[in-house]
Amino acid sequence: DTEVTQTPKHLVMGMTNKKSLKCEQHMGHRAMYWYKQKAKKPPELMFVYSYEKLSINESVPSRFSPECPNSSLLNLHLHALQPEDSALYLCASSQTPGRQTSEQYFGPGTRLTVT
Amino acid sequence: GQSLEQPSEVTAVEGAIVQINCTYQTSGFYGLSWYQQHDGGAPTFLSYNALDGLEETGRFSSFLSRSDSYGYLLLQELQMKDSASYFCAVIGSSNTGKLIFGQGTTLQVKP
Repeated sequence: DTEVTQTPKHLVMGMTNKKSLKCEQHMGHRAMYWYKQKAKKPPELMFVYSYEKLSINESVPSRFSPECPNSSLLNLHLHALQPEDSALYLCASSQTPGRQTSEQYFGPGTRLTVT
Repeated sequence: GQSLEQPSEVTAVEGAIVQINCTYQTSGFYGLSWYQQHDGGAPTFLSYNALDGLEETGRFSSFLSRSDSYGYLLLQELQMKDSASYFCAVIGSSNTGKLIFGQGTTLQVKP
């Protein structure tokens, strides 16, 4: 199984809502990532979890809160978002951080619209 | 800092060969990767070069020259389904798990 799954596929939320994005992988990977991608732009790293611990936070605003409940699951909690946060949110995983980072498996993403 | 440069758009015809170049400036270097992304889809890993030379995987090949800080992705026998964005990427650090992407090259394959 080389699949990373993400739910929901689409999400529309108001600026006062609280919602969560979910990501799951069963490849035994120990590094998991959240990316944000705007149209016609490359993925932009937000967070890295390494062995279930947060290892990188790319100065992401606190209205985005990641969580890694176990080695297979990754959540992104959203609260009080702004319209400019509308984007495709991608989850990815790799065997470990380090050189294996070069080969990441991406989920299909959640298309988020903030109204 | 780290930066990667690649052409923004490339157009080619079905059956042709196309080369997408990538030059990089990095404080350290741990390898060059290539990803493909179709419109509305997720990035898909294509290849990784840590050492100089050519790596071949079916119709796709990737080349690296560390002395020139340069690599390319070569797509042969182009098919319509190869129309997509292609990103080169480097690892920002050997330990941290940070992958830095180029701006992407949109490949349009015409009949």
